[in-house]
Amino acid sequence: QLQLQESGAGLVRPSETLSLTCAVSGRSVTSGGYSWGWLRQSPGKGLEFIGYTYHSGSFYNPSLRSRVTMSLDRSKNQFTLQMTSVTAADSAVYFCASLYSSGSYYFDYWGQGSLVTVSS
Amino acid sequence: QSALTQPASVSASPGQSITISCGGTSSDIGSHNFVSWYQQHPGKAPKLMIFDVGRRPSGVSGRFSGSKSGNTASLTISGLQSDDEAIYYCISYSSASTLGAFGGGTKVTVL
Repeated sequence: QLQLQESGAGLVRPSETLSLTCAVSGRSVTSGGYSWGWLRQSPGKGLEFIGYTYHSGSFYNPSLRSRVTMSLDRSKNQFTLQMTSVTAADSAVYFCASLYSSGSYYFDYWGQGSLVTVSS
Repeated sequence: QSALTQPASVSASPGQSITISCGGTSSDIGSHNFVSWYQQHPGKAPKLMIFDVGRRPSGVSGRFSGSKSGNTASLTISGLQSDDEAIYYCISYSSASTLGAFGGGTKVTVL
C-alpha cells in the first residue's frame, strides 16, 4: 500500500519561502507512469493543482509558475515543493499525491495534508 | 487547470440514489475517458472513488458508479448512507491543459 507523508513548516512569514516535503513509501518516485503532485485547498474552497514533477521534469500551474519549484529526491524517495514570496493568500492545506498518467489520469494516493499559515 | 462544472450541493434521504454531474468540454471529458471522482470528508484528504470514467479501485463500494455522455460525466451513489455525506470532486485529463481539469466540488447531504 502506497503511503505519502507531508512535512514542513506550518507557519511561514509573508515574503518568505514555503518548503514542504512528501515522503513516499511503497513505490519508487522514479516508477514509470507516475508523477508526483502538489495540490492545495484554502478553507472552504476546492482543490487547486499547484503542479507535478516526475523523472523527466516538472509542470506548474501558470498562475504560480514564477514562484514554484518542485523536485524529486531519489536517494530519500521523496519529493519537495518550494514556493517563494508567499502571502496570506497562500495559506491553505497542502496535499501531496501520486498521479497516474500513463494511459490514464488520476490521483490514486494522497498524503493526509499539511496546514500552512502565512502570517507575521 | 481548466474548470469542470459541478452542482454546489445535492441531498437525499438514506437508501435513495443520487447522481452528481460534471460538465466539461470537447477538450476534456468529451474526448477522453480519463474522468476520476474523489470523496472528501471534513478535515481529510480526498479519496479516489472512480477512475477511467467508471472503474472502481479495490475497496470502494459497488454503490458508487460512474458514467459519461458527451461532455458530461456523472457519479451515482445508490443506497445512500450517512457516511456518504462528503464533498465530491471530479477531475479529467485535458488536452488543453497539462494540469487537467478540476470540478469545484459537490456537497452531498444525507437528510
